[in-house]
Amino acid sequence: EAGVAQSPRYKIIEKRQSVAFWCNPISGHATLYWYQQILGQGPKLLIQFQNNGVVDDSQLPKDRFSAERLKGVDSTLKIQPAKLEDSAVYLCASTLRSIPGEQFFGPGTRLTVL
Amino acid sequence: QQQVKQSPQSLIVQKGGISIINCAYENTAFDYFPWYQQFPGKGPALLIAIRPDVSEKKEGRFTISFNKSAKQFSLHIMDSQPGDSATYFCAAFITGGGNKLTFGTGTQLKVEL
Repeated sequence: EAGVAQSPRYKIIEKRQSVAFWCNPISGHATLYWYQQILGQGPKLLIQFQNNGVVDDSQLPKDRFSAERLKGVDSTLKIQPAKLEDSAVYLCASTLRSIPGEQFFGPGTRLTVL
Repeated sequence: QQQVKQSPQSLIVQKGGISIINCAYENTAFDYFPWYQQFPGKGPALLIAIRPDVSEKKEGRFTISFNKSAKQFSLHIMDSQPGDSATYFCAAFITGGGNKLTFGTGTQLKVEL
């Protein structure tokens, strides 16, 4: 079974630029999550999708972050404009059932904002 | 009330020794407690999990001990090996209601030869 795929793996941008991350979950997994992991901290949930609908986006900075999951499969997370404090690893995870403890994580995208 | 506190921040153990990582929570509504293992450059991977109706769960060299009254749980790694060197996160979740998985701050474990 293929795992969660993410791209790019690394991205360096200047502040105020925009950036987009892509995630392809495990086939058949209806629930998809985007997390932000700042160095030295645990992952923090940004947004949760069930199929192509948003379940929880309470911690998503909506003034600059947006995410979509068209057709209930792949998902993209966008930051526009980026700030220095957005430097982090952005993790995508998916699960077949709505039991977040059984999430399968991708390798993440490491974003550096200069 | 959604926080999960984890300690220590870092841990060095000799090969063959026991690694112990502790977590504490406040919200008694949490009812599922997984531990994740993360290697550099990789995403976290589920290691072992427990529900509060049991006091201990063992899978190979990994054991979770759960103290419901104290609202604490811990991960024990027996016979620690260099390959166990990684960052470990405890987490907590409330079943139902669409609540999110809340992670601890992580423990960086290094197992020395």
